[in-house]
Amino acid sequence: NAGVTQTPKFRVLKTGQSMTLLCAQDMNHEYMYWYRQDPGMGLRLIHYSVGEGTTAKGEVPDGYNVSRLKKQNFLLGLESAAPSQTSVYFCASSQAAKNIQYFGAGTRLSVL
Amino acid sequence: AQSVTQPDIHITVSEGASLELRCNYSYGATPYLFWYVQSPGQGLQLLLKYFSGDTLVQGIKGFEAEFKRSQSSFNLRKPSVHWSDAAEYFCAVGALRDDKIIFGKGTRLHILP
Repeated sequence: NAGVTQTPKFRVLKTGQSMTLLCAQDMNHEYMYWYRQDPGMGLRLIHYSVGEGTTAKGEVPDGYNVSRLKKQNFLLGLESAAPSQTSVYFCASSQAAKNIQYFGAGTRLSVL
Repeated sequence: AQSVTQPDIHITVSEGASLELRCNYSYGATPYLFWYVQSPGQGLQLLLKYFSGDTLVQGIKGFEAEFKRSQSSFNLRKPSVHWSDAAEYFCAVGALRDDKIIFGKGTRLHILP
């Protein structure tokens, strides 16, 4: 019973490098979300998706891109990483917007 | 604009004491409300939710919360805390027509032995 799985768990990047964070859910959920968590800031929504092939911007989308080519996967990309993107990233999924969100364990990213 | 406020960044209580964590929201529509808990190094886990009906809702781990529309509040309570309750707690709010929910900045709970 995997739920929401995020890979990788940890990553260190140099400024300007690119990377992709993968989120996979096995609950057949329609909605998927990417958040970043910074000390004292709570969770801020980066991008989200309400179904396969759809994406939408959240509160802090700049510097990130996403894709939802398959219902079970939601990818978060950083094309040119910046130190300001050092954070813990969480993926979540839910069956509908007002339903419970299930979270992955997070990806801790450091950009040097 | 929609917002969620958790006025207390840190709270410290003694083991066995009662607990109340505050959450206030500003939302135009009828809200639905959540409390999540995050243990160190973990993702968030749902404690309880309110959509409609009885304004006092029960959750896991002995937690409860009361929705007070007149005060725009959804405070979390527990009669007697355990050392394992030390964690960060997040209040969140959404509305029926929204595709997303908004999280508060969190309250970190410390437990004294």
